[in-house]
Amino acid sequence: SQQGEEDPQALSIQEGENATMNCSYKTSINNLQWYRQNSGRGLVHLILIRSNEREKHSGRLRVTLDTSKKSSSLLITASRAADTASYFCATGGVSGGYNKLIFGAGTRLAVHP
Amino acid sequence: NAGVTQTPKFQVLKTGQSMTLQCAQDMNHEYMSWYRQDPGMGLRLIHYSVGAGITDQGEVPNGYNVSRSTTEDFPLRLLSAAPSQTSVYFCASSYLGTGPGDGYTFGSGTRLTVV
Repeated sequence: SQQGEEDPQALSIQEGENATMNCSYKTSINNLQWYRQNSGRGLVHLILIRSNEREKHSGRLRVTLDTSKKSSSLLITASRAADTASYFCATGGVSGGYNKLIFGAGTRLAVHP
Repeated sequence: NAGVTQTPKFQVLKTGQSMTLQCAQDMNHEYMSWYRQDPGMGLRLIHYSVGAGITDQGEVPNGYNVSRSTTEDFPLRLLSAAPSQTSVYFCASSYLGTGPGDGYTFGSGTRLTVV
């Protein structure tokens, strides 16, 4: 069973617009991570947020975490065509299981020039 | 700085055949894992290891074996291939625990087709 579930499943926007993806999970976590996957390639780590953090930034990426609602969001600002990819959230558990990541099904983002 | 290397990149097997997917990392990561990715289902954890000599099952371990004799290598064995094992397989590694910005480093994947 998957821990994280992304919403929406697919997102289509124009260059320059912001893209927001959401992730919900079911059990307590130690950390939540976001990854990007370009078509036919391996996943690339984008950002990690710990359970005691509420917001984190990295370049054009902003991640929020609400542990009371068991949800996270990834915001990509001023999107570019090169941001076209699938984005996955992954959760690391508690009690020493924080390395064992459980992935959601992903959001497919298409950014049109 | 090779990162995580997976071989082969592509493989076609006949039902019932066995094979080993290779994974090697040169970052001295303690943690290594295998995932399979099927359309619309994200990544599902097959097996993982927190160090040499220590392995454990993930969400979908049936039909697969692993071993970890060294820190660098974490091979995945398909015992008797079935069409349901047609998938893309990813190996990933990381340091144990979570330091600033830590995350998995993924290999480029092995696309396996079982006919």
